[in-house]
Amino acid sequence: KAGVTQTPRYLIKTRGQQVTLSCSPISGHRSVSWYQQTPGQGLQFLFEYFSETQRNKGNFPGRFSGRQFSNSRSEMNVSTLELGDSALYLCASSPTGTGTEAFFGQGTRLTVV
Amino acid sequence: KNEVEQSPQNLTAQEGEFITINCSYSVGISALHWLQQHPGGGIVSLFMLSSGKKKHGRLIATINIQEKHSSLHITASHPRDSAVYICAVTKNTGNQFYFGTGTSLTVIP
Repeated sequence: KAGVTQTPRYLIKTRGQQVTLSCSPISGHRSVSWYQQTPGQGLQFLFEYFSETQRNKGNFPGRFSGRQFSNSRSEMNVSTLELGDSALYLCASSPTGTGTEAFFGQGTRLTVV
Repeated sequence: KNEVEQSPQNLTAQEGEFITINCSYSVGISALHWLQQHPGGGIVSLFMLSSGKKKHGRLIATINIQEKHSSLHITASHPRDSAVYICAVTKNTGNQFYFGTGTSLTVIP
């Protein structure tokens, strides 16, 4: 059974640009959550999608957005990139709505220059 | 105050030592999770607990719901156990994780 796949693994962007990251969950999983990890702030929750609906949202500006497709694949988009957006972005997939084990992808390391 | 507190932040041990990492939380939870992160970023789920105790190989995790406290134990530690161990909880509102600050473990041969 394939794991959670995040693409790309590494990305370098310039300030002001936008970026789209992709997460393919484990087959059959309907919940995808996104997290940002930085040395200063640690792991922070961005948003969670379940069956194509955004169910929870973290405390991030509107430049951060996401969506989930009918096949449960999810994308997150960051517009007008800032240097502070440089981070490891992780997604996690879970089979059902609550209280189930999560499986993480390897992450996308975004560097904004 | 963070909803999930973890200690210690850093831990260095000699190979073979018994290791304990502690986690306390202050909110109602659906489950408590212990996660492992190696350099390079990927996170692996070690345990998901809602009560009692679980064991995988040399790793043991316990939770006391009344005291809102969990411990992760590593017996006979090995240099390959060197990683960051993260305590996290989920609530009944969904699969969102609320993370502790992590414990960076280094096991010296």
